[in-house]
Amino acid sequence: QKEVEQNSGPLSVPEGAIASLNCTYSDRGSQSFFWYRQYSGKSPELIMSIYSNGDKEDGRFTAQLNKASQYVSLLIRDSQPSDSATYLCAVNINNAGNMLTFGGGTRLMVKP
Amino acid sequence: KAGVTQTPRYLIKTRGQQVTLSCSPISGHRSVSWYQQTPGQGLQFLFEYFSETQRNKGNFPGRFSGRQFSNSRSEMNVSTLELGDSALYLCASSWGQGAWETQYFGPGTRLLVL
Repeated sequence: QKEVEQNSGPLSVPEGAIASLNCTYSDRGSQSFFWYRQYSGKSPELIMSIYSNGDKEDGRFTAQLNKASQYVSLLIRDSQPSDSATYLCAVNINNAGNMLTFGGGTRLMVKP
Repeated sequence: KAGVTQTPRYLIKTRGQQVTLSCSPISGHRSVSWYQQTPGQGLQFLFEYFSETQRNKGNFPGRFSGRQFSNSRSEMNVSTLELGDSALYLCASSWGQGAWETQYFGPGTRLLVL
């Protein structure tokens, strides 16, 4: 079992819809979770970090964390074609310094 | 503030050669981590440096090494290059060292080994 798992997609949503991206992780003791967006040929850019159970909102983005279920998700409201990218879930497994373990990424396609 | 910078941006080498990649973190950031990204394996952690000391190391062979200088700039070296080393090498910096630190990525160095 991989330590951080994501559905590779592609996830296709129409413009204006809500995109829901999911991630599960194996280490129950993990404390910090990050979502990065990566456009084709570019490097990952941080969208959000989340550390506590519940929801965290930033503009059109909402991260949700459920440590009991070892599940973290990212919701993108009012999806735009410019949101089309690969979304990477990253977990600090074992709270080991700055070592992030990444999921394989979910490719999101927002169709006009 | 300027972001993380990496040089060179593109590199072509042949098998058996060695390569050195450079990373300058965001001003004030003291931690630098390196990652390798390939289509098959995704993003994988290589190593992390904080205050010139390697703090964590990923599951890569000894051909991969790195160091950090007193100004927090970091270099990674890959010796005896193999075809499978072709990848995007990403450097990320953060202010400190801890599970809650946010890492910011540079643009990467794309290495092609022929």
